[in-house]
Amino acid sequence: GQQLNQSPQSMFIQEGEDVSMNCTSSSIFNTWLWYKQDPGEGPVLLIALYKAGELTSNGRLTAQFGITRKDSFLNISASIPSDVGIYFCAGRPNTGNQFYFGTGTSLTVIP
Amino acid sequence: GAVVSQHPSRVICKSGTSVKIECRSLDFQATTMFWYRQFPKQSLMLMATSNEGSKATYEQGVEKDKFLINHASLTLSTLTVTSAHPEDSSFYICSAGPAGIGSGANVLTFGAGSRLTVL
Repeated sequence: GQQLNQSPQSMFIQEGEDVSMNCTSSSIFNTWLWYKQDPGEGPVLLIALYKAGELTSNGRLTAQFGITRKDSFLNISASIPSDVGIYFCAGRPNTGNQFYFGTGTSLTVIP
Repeated sequence: GAVVSQHPSRVICKSGTSVKIECRSLDFQATTMFWYRQFPKQSLMLMATSNEGSKATYEQGVEKDKFLINHASLTLSTLTVTSAHPEDSSFYICSAGPAGIGSGANVLTFGAGSRLTVL
């Protein structure tokens, strides 16, 4: 199935720094979701986006639905050690019930 | 919020045996559930879409007879790895799909995953 382009693939940052990651698709999506996965666990939903241009926050996390409807961004401000994990984007195109996933961004926060 | 329960969380079996993994939506009905396989440090790979009351839709390259999926009720889907071999060892995750476009429930809720080790 289709896989979304997610970047960067991995990040090593100092505690307190901000983080940005993004996902792009070749087709238009009507839904963008951002998940975090801890080792050995299932992904947990962080933010859901449903409208082009939508900007939604969840604590220190902010995500945006790109106006072209082909991309989405996730920002984490003032990172802390518990932010460590793999972050995945997921998007759903206009047609069908299928969600497609990004390749993941592995985040390491150095205390 | 929506909760998806997956069981067992870990299973170790001998080569040649079959293993069943259950995925339950605890507080909502799911006409669609998805099964994924995940290798270490990699993304989720969709294996199949489980449809309540009908046959599952398998992704290209996934063996239907190897990975049997049953979605007998609106809250339960099962994945059976038949005649498991060491190469089937992996992390399997399920998710419950949205109730429908425009329903307001357009998110995927994941189970905690099942770690299968085939000896």
